[in-house]
Amino acid sequence: QSVLTQPPSASGTPGQRVTISCSGGSSNIGSNTVNWYQRLPGTAPKLLIYTNNQRPSGVPDRFSGSKSGTSASLAISGLQSEDEADYYCAAWDDSLYAYVFGTGTKVTVL
Amino acid sequence: QVQLVQSGGEVKKPGASVRVSCTASGYTFTSYDINWVRQATGQGLEWMGWMNPNSGNKAYAQKFQGRVNMTRNTSISTVYLELSSLKSEDTAVYYCARRRTKGYIGPRREREYSFDYWGQGTLVTVSS
Repeated sequence: QSVLTQPPSASGTPGQRVTISCSGGSSNIGSNTVNWYQRLPGTAPKLLIYTNNQRPSGVPDRFSGSKSGTSASLAISGLQSEDEADYYCAAWDDSLYAYVFGTGTKVTVL
Repeated sequence: QVQLVQSGGEVKKPGASVRVSCTASGYTFTSYDINWVRQATGQGLEWMGWMNPNSGNKAYAQKFQGRVNMTRNTSISTVYLELSSLKSEDTAVYYCARRRTKGYIGPRREREYSFDYWGQGTLVTVSS
């Protein structure tokens, strides 16, 4: 069972802004950096955000991340059809000595 | 360019073992840890453990302790995941992933842990 909690789904029309939350605890998000991964259907996960709010080269600036206390969020502004995917937050957990993923959020573009 | 290429799909019977390989190219193999992550159908991502290809040091998620073994062959830039005593619940796509960097960030020394490159995935099916 995941220790990071995300809403199961989120949706928006093209051009809208969508925000996904990720709730954790003091041993994971509260102590370590948060990352976000995008998983398009049938493909391997792709790193979207690292170190709370940094984008790897090639990731559009429509994607942004933030962290506060034991929670984090991913925002997608100017939603596009190709953003339809599953999104996972993740962080190292000091108590479990493990890398933990969120429950995942399916984003649908209406 | 950086690539992680995994071995092909496997079909195994319950109780058997499976070995999945992950061959790296485009970077210095011994400079980055390799992690393994799996995803069962309809389920989320699940971290299994990591290995340092240089030292051979490794650590596994508690859930898999006693059933998992990670090894490497530096001469062919390959890391292996072996999972034994397979159960139907182990049916999943298994991914290897390169850890982006090691270290701690900021005054609170937050551990930075993320995966910048992933293999294409290997479907392991456990069925009688």
